Amino acid sequence: DVKVTQSSRYLVKRTGEKVFLECVQDMDHENMFWYRQDPGLGLRLIYFSYDVKMKEKGDIPEGYSVSREKKERFSLILESASTNQTSMYLCASSHSWSDAGKDQPQHFGDGTRLSIL
Amino acid sequence: AQKVTQAQTEISVVEKEDVTLDCVYETRDTTYYLFWYKQPPSGELVFLIRRNSFDEQNEISGRYSWNFQKSTSSFNFTITASQVVDSAVYFCALKWDTGFQKLVFGTGTRLLVSP
Repeated sequence: DVKVTQSSRYLVKRTGEKVFLECVQDMDHENMFWYRQDPGLGLRLIYFSYDVKMKEKGDIPEGYSVSREKKERFSLILESASTNQTSMYLCASSHSWSDAGKDQPQHFGDGTRLSIL
Repeated sequence: AQKVTQAQTEISVVEKEDVTLDCVYETRDTTYYLFWYKQPPSGELVFLIRRNSFDEQNEISGRYSWNFQKSTSSFNFTITASQVVDSAVYFCALKWDTGFQKLVFGTGTRLLVSP
């Protein structure tokens, strides 16, 4: 089974702190994604990566950055945390966008509930 | 624009009732992929099913069934004889051929099944 592991289930940080959320997958997937989930808004894509050191902005990248130094690890960085970044963060991975991979689902981690005080 | 609409915010049923969760999608692409995910209270999203745009066959898996209709751009999900363990938030999602692997999610439907 695919395993996507997020480093923390719950995290509390203070305004202005630099926050790192870590995600590791064990299925050698090329693609990795970071979403945030808010009530009434569903899941919104922050950033994604289709290869090591490659990244693409999603729909709501402002206030975030990412790092992918190794294929299995994708980090989300809040450069200076603000209260409006309090949310549930979900990491996902999937196979590459090849003919064989086009209809493959994304596999998700358990999520990190982040509170910024 | 690509969009997924789940108009039902919350549904409450009593155990053993049948329930249908609606999903309407919009895309200009002729090739696209639809997914359903379940999010139990523990938080992780669990993949349930995918359907490709060129395959309109409906599918049944145990108590779960999916009805894909391109004519109405709908991909509805029915749970037969619901159980308390079905209580969760269910998300419908869309991936399209020119969208470079991005998934667009609906806002989710919270299903509450009471004993």
